[in-house]
This record gives sequence, structure tokens and C-alpha cells, in this order.
Amino acid sequence: ETGVTQSPTHLIKTRGQQVTLRCSSQSGHNTVSWYQQALGQGPQFIFQYYREEENGRGNFPPRFSGLQFPNYSSELNVNALELDDSALYLCASSLGAGVLNTEAFFGQGTRLTVV
Amino acid sequence: AQTVTQSQPEMSVQEAETVTLSCTYDTSESDYYLFWYKQPPSRQMILVIRQEAYKQQNATENRFSVNFQKAAKSFSLKISDSQLGDAAMYFCAYRSDGGSNYKLTFGKGTLLTVNP
Repeated sequence: ETGVTQSPTHLIKTRGQQVTLRCSSQSGHNTVSWYQQALGQGPQFIFQYYREEENGRGNFPPRFSGLQFPNYSSELNVNALELDDSALYLCASSLGAGVLNTEAFFGQGTRLTVV
Repeated sequence: AQTVTQSQPEMSVQEAETVTLSCTYDTSESDYYLFWYKQPPSRQMILVIRQEAYKQQNATENRFSVNFQKAAKSFSLKISDSQLGDAAMYFCAYRSDGGSNYKLTFGKGTLLTVNP
């Protein structure tokens, strides 16, 4: 059973640029959630994808967008990067959006630095 | 909206001793799940223990146990026989029950240091 993998592990971008982060969900999981973890803070929910559709969104602007593919892997796209977007971005996969008793498995995250 | 508060930014414990990490939450819901996650320097969030709000019995997982006080909206984590490998950030998290998505609401975390 493969775990959740994220790529790249580290990334440095310039303010105003666009970035794409990738996540491969755990085998058998059809739901992917993305979180932003600023330094010294707990993760904040960005959005969730369930069977290729966005299924819930946190308090993040529209320049944060995502995709989920038929194999349930996912991308997080951030346009017009700002310095405050510097953070660890975590992906979590689970089975079913509202199914009870399922555990979310996290990847190791992508550390994004905006300069 | 639900909120999760961890009032201890840092805690330390001697190896083999017991430590308790505190967590309080605010919600108007009656059914929900509470979690403790561990985040070591490797950055990967690892589930330590889970508690269903409808269960009165406190969850236990080997050396880890919780004290769940639903009326007080308190959910503390007790680590017994602390080991060097327990050193990490610990996050308390809340999840609604029956919602359409698996959103987790996290606290700000407690950094646990284990002294040899």
C-alpha cells in the first residue's frame, strides 16, 4: 500500500509568479485535502477534492485553485504569489468525503518560499 | 465555526516520565471527532489517537491516552513512559461528524521536548 507522496519537497518562487504543487493519494483513496501550514502555526484547510470535484473550501482567495485527476492524484495551483504564501503545504488523502471512521493520511509536504 | 485552542506552546518531559498536553475546542455541534496528530521534523502528520464524541470511554493507544470532557469541551493527551522519539509538535484537531467533507480544524500546536 503506497503512502501519500508530494512533489516537489522544496520550492523557491518570486512574488507574482505561479506555482503548481502535486500530490499522489494513497492507494484506494478518492479524496484529497490541501492544507497550508505557516511557520509556527497549525495547518489551515484550503480545499478538498472528492471524485474530481471541489467539495469544500476554506477561507482562501480564488488565486488558490486545484484539480483532481481520474487516478485521484491532485494539484494545488497558486497564482500571483505573495510573500505570505510562504508556508508548508500539506496534502491529505482519505476514503470518502463524508464517510465516517476514515483516517486522513498526510504527505510530507512541500515547503514553498516566496521571495 | 469551530475553533481549537492549545494553550501550551512548549512542554518538556524527562524520559520515562508522564506528560499531559492540553486542548480545548469550541463547537455548537453534538457529534464530532477529535484527534491528536504528531508532526516530527520530517514534517509528516501522523495520527496518534482519535476520539468519537459520542463515546464516553476515553480512547487509548498503547502509551497514549486522552481525557475527553465533552461538557467542558476539553481534550487532553497523556503520554506515559515518554521516549526520545516522542519529541515533536503535537496538534489537536477537530472534525465535524456527518459533514460533506473531511475538513480538519487544527490548533496551533505544542512543541514537546523529551530530555534524556
